Amino acid sequence: DIVMTQSPDSLAVSLGERATINCKSSQSVLYSSNNKNYLTWYQQRPGQPPKLLIYWASTRESGVPDRFNGSGSGTDFTLTISSLQAEDVAVYYCQQYYSTPPYSFGQGTRLEIK
Amino acid sequence: QVQLQESGPGLVKPSQTLSLTCTVSGGSISSGDYYWSWIRQPPGKGLEWIGYIYYSGSTYYNPSLKSRLTISVDTSKNQFSLKLSSVTAADTAVYYCARGGDESSGYYSHWGQGTLVTVSS
Repeated sequence: DIVMTQSPDSLAVSLGERATINCKSSQSVLYSSNNKNYLTWYQQRPGQPPKLLIYWASTRESGVPDRFNGSGSGTDFTLTISSLQAEDVAVYYCQQYYSTPPYSFGQGTRLEIK
Repeated sequence: QVQLQESGPGLVKPSQTLSLTCTVSGGSISSGDYYWSWIRQPPGKGLEWIGYIYYSGSTYYNPSLKSRLTISVDTSKNQFSLKLSSVTAADTAVYYCARGGDESSGYYSHWGQGTLVTVSS
């Protein structure tokens, strides 16, 4: 099974500053036949279900603000929030959906305001 | 807009079977290439993928739960269901149903609000 490891576990950033969350997979999630990375990012606010932010590692879901950006390939990925807003306080998860299940999630990164 | 809603008992006794249903509205389970999935989250912890079903009835389960798990679909009611047998306190969690992405992709674009199931005598 593919293990997903996020860093850091928690992060405090000032409003308007950049937040960076990393996600590493135990094996590559890049499918060579279509050159797609099977990696997604979610935001989960307290008491809410996860919300899809990014899929295929860098494709922003419709309606997601453009301050959210996903990057990386193979085993190393990054979610960047370019200018932190108060409503971005949440836990962020990466998830791989490469090949056959089980799909797996990172342990989550808690993002707070400094 | 597709919406999903979980329903079922909020309290289950140890060793009994946990049963939940997800009702889909705003779209048909039978249309499109989507995986209909269950995901759970123990209180204060991270997300665990449970399994999925395709409208045809084909399934894939997390091996860690496979021996206790059944996911089924009722296209006439636009619902899919989860049954987890022999539950213990470790199965206490918020259970979410979710729809996968386009072309049978394994990211989840639509989620139910979740339902807390507590396993306790």
